[in-house]
Amino acid sequence: DSGVTQTPKHLITATGQRVTLRCSPRSGDLSVYWYQQSLDQGLQFLIQYYNGEERAKGNILERFSAQQFPDLHSELNLSSLELGDSALYFCASSAPMGEQYFGPGTRLTVT
Amino acid sequence: QKEVEQDPGPLSVPEGAIVSLNCTYSNSAFQYFMWYRQYSRKGPELLMYTYSSGNKEDGRFTAQVDKSSKYISLFIRDSQPSDSATYLCAMSRGSNYKLTFGKGTLLTVNP
Repeated sequence: DSGVTQTPKHLITATGQRVTLRCSPRSGDLSVYWYQQSLDQGLQFLIQYYNGEERAKGNILERFSAQQFPDLHSELNLSSLELGDSALYFCASSAPMGEQYFGPGTRLTVT
Repeated sequence: QKEVEQDPGPLSVPEGAIVSLNCTYSNSAFQYFMWYRQYSRKGPELLMYTYSSGNKEDGRFTAQVDKSSKYISLFIRDSQPSDSATYLCAMSRGSNYKLTFGKGTLLTVNP
C-alpha cells in the first residue's frame, strides 16, 4: 500500500458526460501528480499541483481540469467525455526527496 | 524519436534466472531515474530511485545508470514467479518534476 488513495476504482459513463476523480496524497506530501495510462500511449503526465497551486501541465486536454484543495486532496474533472478518454487514471504524490508513489488508479470506461 | 525508449518484450525466463531490463533516453536533462513494477491494472510500485550514474542495490534488485550513454538498467537476481509483471522505467529533470515513462517491458517468470 503506497498510502495514496483514489476513488472511485471504476467508472463507467457515456460519451458527453462529466466525471470527477478524487485523490488523497500520502500524509505530509504536498505535491500531487495526475497521469493517464492507455494501451497505445503508456503512462502520460497530465498535471501537477504543489500545496494548492498548479505547478506543471502536460498534454492535458482543455476538457480536463484539476484542483488541489487546502487539505491537499486533489480532484481531476473530465468533461464532454469521448470514447478515447477511456483509460486508467493515476494519481501520485511525491516524498521530500522526490520519489513518486502511485495510487491504485481509477479505471474509466466511456461507452 | 521518443524521449524514453524501452523494449516492450514480452520477456519470458525460468525461475531463478537473472533478468536484465533496459531503457535508453535522449534528453540529457534527466537527472533522476526510477524503476516501477506494475501488476495488471494496478498502480505502479516504486522499486528503485537513483540519482547520478552508478549502481544501486536493494535486495535482489540492482539499478544501473550510465549518463554518458543515456542508458539505464534494472537487474533482477534469482527471479521468482511473483516478479511477473510489467516493469516501467521513468525519469525526471528534478526531484519534484513530472515523470517521463518508457512503455514498459512485460516479464513472465516461469516456475
